[in-house]
Amino acid sequence: QIQLVQSGAEVRKSGASVKVSCKASGYTFSSYGISWLRQAPGQGLEWMGWVTTENTHYAQKFQGRVTMTTDTSTNTAYMELRSLRSDDTAIYYCARDPIEFYDSIGFTNWFDPWGQGTLVTVSS
Amino acid sequence: SNELTQPPSVSVSPGQTARITCSGDTLAKQYSYWYQQKPGQAPSLVISKDSERPSGIPERFSGSSSGTTVTLTISGVQAEDEADYYCQSEDNSGTYQVVFGGGTKLTVL
Repeated sequence: QIQLVQSGAEVRKSGASVKVSCKASGYTFSSYGISWLRQAPGQGLEWMGWVTTENTHYAQKFQGRVTMTTDTSTNTAYMELRSLRSDDTAIYYCARDPIEFYDSIGFTNWFDPWGQGTLVTVSS
Repeated sequence: SNELTQPPSVSVSPGQTARITCSGDTLAKQYSYWYQQKPGQAPSLVISKDSERPSGIPERFSGSSSGTTVTLTISGVQAEDEADYYCQSEDNSGTYQVVFGGGTKLTVL
């Protein structure tokens, strides 16, 4: 079955960096993108960006602070977030993303399935 | 505007129909998607491209679209449907962004 398995919980100090992994199985990794999303405690969902084996696109909010990469030898995607602040404390999710493009509407993304989530706690 | 607006909460009795709305200018042009999130779990997709039901999603879940408002309808609500529901779309007006509604807590009375 299609599955995304993420790395374990992380604790970092303010100003540090964190790198979360997401190992995919059950489908052709190079045929889909991976989006990264996060959810702060008690809050809603926030999209951070997507990565494919060929390119990346980051949400404006995270430009310059996030790097998303893939390793096709292990079917794993990575998300690194730098200069961490206390408000970066959240559960970080990866999700498979077909990233379709239509001439009429441009890109459309949806997320299915999702990884189990990785709690990143940032302390001062 | 690139915002999506959902009601914070909806309550229904078992067997009734729940309707959760999501409104935003971008919905007139872009597809919408709906996710269900139960406590302590990752979200899961329940409706794709306004009204398509992914494999494995019960028929009681349906989606519709009209202008700048999309609606998730759950017919014959069951206790197991109690969850947070999020709508999602894209904003292609400037720098491309994926946008989410703030979420709706569905309570089954």
